[in-house]
Amino acid sequence: ETGVTQTPRHLVMGMTNKKSLKCEQHLGHNAMYWYKQSAKKPLELMFVYNFKEQTENNSVPSRFSPECPNSSHLFLHLHTLQPEDSALYLCASSQEAGGPNIQYFGAGTRLSVL
Amino acid sequence: GQNIDQPTEMTATEGAIVQINCTYQTSGFNGLFWYQQHAGEAPTFLSYNVLDGLEEKGRFSSFLSQSKGYSYLLLKELQMKDSASYLCAVRDSNYQLIWGAGTKLIIKP
Repeated sequence: ETGVTQTPRHLVMGMTNKKSLKCEQHLGHNAMYWYKQSAKKPLELMFVYNFKEQTENNSVPSRFSPECPNSSHLFLHLHTLQPEDSALYLCASSQEAGGPNIQYFGAGTRLSVL
Repeated sequence: GQNIDQPTEMTATEGAIVQINCTYQTSGFNGLFWYQQHAGEAPTFLSYNVLDGLEEKGRFSSFLSQSKGYSYLLLKELQMKDSASYLCAVRDSNYQLIWGAGTKLIIKP
């Protein structure tokens, strides 16, 4: 148990569907992150929120839309995805963004786009 | 560009010692992290090095040489549960984490 919970753990969706991934952290952290993990590739940072403000968007396509209503919750809204978007989506949190802060990860949502 | 290199896969025997290397070329350096990730699970923090030298934590040790852009993770007295992927990540001058692709470690009886 890392203190970061992601739901659902698995998701299968068609290219025309709309779905949302949820992340919740119970660590009292102020920064939250979305990463994409594809097989045999480095983790790709997608979005960073620090004190509920988005501070990073790494050229992510607009079909991925993040939302951070408070420091404990982070969502990733998905619509009209492509098959190449199939991957493991990891959420992480840290005390603050930047600095020598350790990131703590959730177990991820395994997404398959058909 | 920024780059982290680590072997794709390694195999070792239960009870033995294994060293997983990581070399990096980044824009600046503000620390190096090692994470362990079991299949289907969250990456979990193992170690953080910001000064050169060896950091020991039980069966796991991590070494850093900034001048060589090099780190290794040393696992002693290997157990079957150590079968996992090991991720190396470097924090650059902008405090962004640059990740390696991970090393899959297979432990055989």
